[in-house]
Amino acid sequence: AQSVTQLDSQVPVFEEAPVELRCNYSSSVSVYLFWYVQYPNQGLQLLLKYLSGSTLVESINGFEAEFNKSQTSFHLRKPSVHISDTAEYFCAVSETSGSRLTFGEGTQLTVNP
Amino acid sequence: NAGVMQNPRHLVRRRGQEARLRCSPMKGHSHVYWYRQLPEEGLKFMVYLQKENIIDESGMPKERFSAEFPKEGPSILRIQQVVRGDSAAYFCASSLEGVVNEQFFGPGTRLTVL
Repeated sequence: AQSVTQLDSQVPVFEEAPVELRCNYSSSVSVYLFWYVQYPNQGLQLLLKYLSGSTLVESINGFEAEFNKSQTSFHLRKPSVHISDTAEYFCAVSETSGSRLTFGEGTQLTVNP
Repeated sequence: NAGVMQNPRHLVRRRGQEARLRCSPMKGHSHVYWYRQLPEEGLKFMVYLQKENIIDESGMPKERFSAEFPKEGPSILRIQQVVRGDSAAYFCASSLEGVVNEQFFGPGTRLTVL
């Protein structure tokens, strides 16, 4: 079984500041890792994913995450945030041979002017 | 190409009533997953279905909850005799095959039990 821990439930930052949303996971088998974003009253949108290969993965809107196997982490970063990045961010993990996603509790990112 | 569709978007039921939530997967997708998001929590897996088959229902509560994905029509998540603790957002995802890295989520149904 896997588990995901998102260490911060709330992250308030000012516009144009850098941000890091932390995610640690636990699993006894190989995993895939995901970050999803949820805007108010909407469904989840896939932000980025790590399946294999380069441990640094990037999204089209400036986010990046790095898979660190030794620390079992998959932290999400952005060097300069915008007001429009305000949303809830979920880290998720799955077994490479599985079908279900296991989610963390979520981190509410609030970007203030 | 329409995405995953769920209806209704909002559903209000009184205790003891039945709730039926519908999910139409993306065109061509034959695999459906249901997740539940309780207030202030992350999403929890409930059930994974293919057309006419339940593949994994290990996340479903043992009583009152059932799911189906018929050959024709949407997938249905049915909750009988709802209780206040069933109030949550229910999300459906679909994939082309049972590939976890290609799940696309719908907008969710927000169930409120009075």
